[in-house]
Amino acid sequence: ETGVTQTPRHLVMGMTNKKSLKCEQHLGHNAMYWYKQSAKKPLELMFVYSLEERVENNSVPSRFSPECPNSSHLFLHLHTLQPEDSALYLCASSQDTSRNEQYFGPGTRLTVT
Amino acid sequence: GQNIDQPTEMTATEGAIVQINCTYQTSGFNGLFWYQQHAGEAPTFLSYNVLDGLEEKGRFSSFLSRSKGYSYLLLKELQMKDSASYLCAVRGLGNTPLVFGKGTRLSVIA
Repeated sequence: ETGVTQTPRHLVMGMTNKKSLKCEQHLGHNAMYWYKQSAKKPLELMFVYSLEERVENNSVPSRFSPECPNSSHLFLHLHTLQPEDSALYLCASSQDTSRNEQYFGPGTRLTVT
Repeated sequence: GQNIDQPTEMTATEGAIVQINCTYQTSGFNGLFWYQQHAGEAPTFLSYNVLDGLEEKGRFSSFLSRSKGYSYLLLKELQMKDSASYLCAVRGLGNTPLVFGKGTRLSVIA
């Protein structure tokens, strides 16, 4: 248990669906991250939030839309996804963006059909 | 840009020692990290090196040579539960986010 929770743990959605992934951290951290982990590929950073402001957006397609309503919660809104978007989506948090250690949630295994 | 290389898979025997190497090319350097990730679980932090040398933490040690762009993770007295992927990650200058390697899948056999 890392102090970072994610729901749902598994999600299957069609290409026309809209769904949201949720992340919550109970560590009092100020920075939160979304990563994508595909088979045989490195972890890919998608978004970084610091004090609820987006500070990094790594050329992610607009069908992925993040939201950070407060420093403890992070959402990833999904719409009109493609099959190649199927992956493990990991949330992480750290004290701030300059800190070394990131704490990861268990991830959401997403399958797009 | 940044590039991180590590072997894709390794196999070692229970009770033995294994060394997992990581080489990197970065435009700046502000620390190297090792994470462990069991199948279906979140990555967990193992170690952090920013200066040259060896950092020891129980059965795990991590080494860094900045001039060579090289690090290794050393696991001693291997146990079956050490079977996992080991991710090398590098931070560039300033507050740039971590860049991860593809990970090394370690299998510990009896």
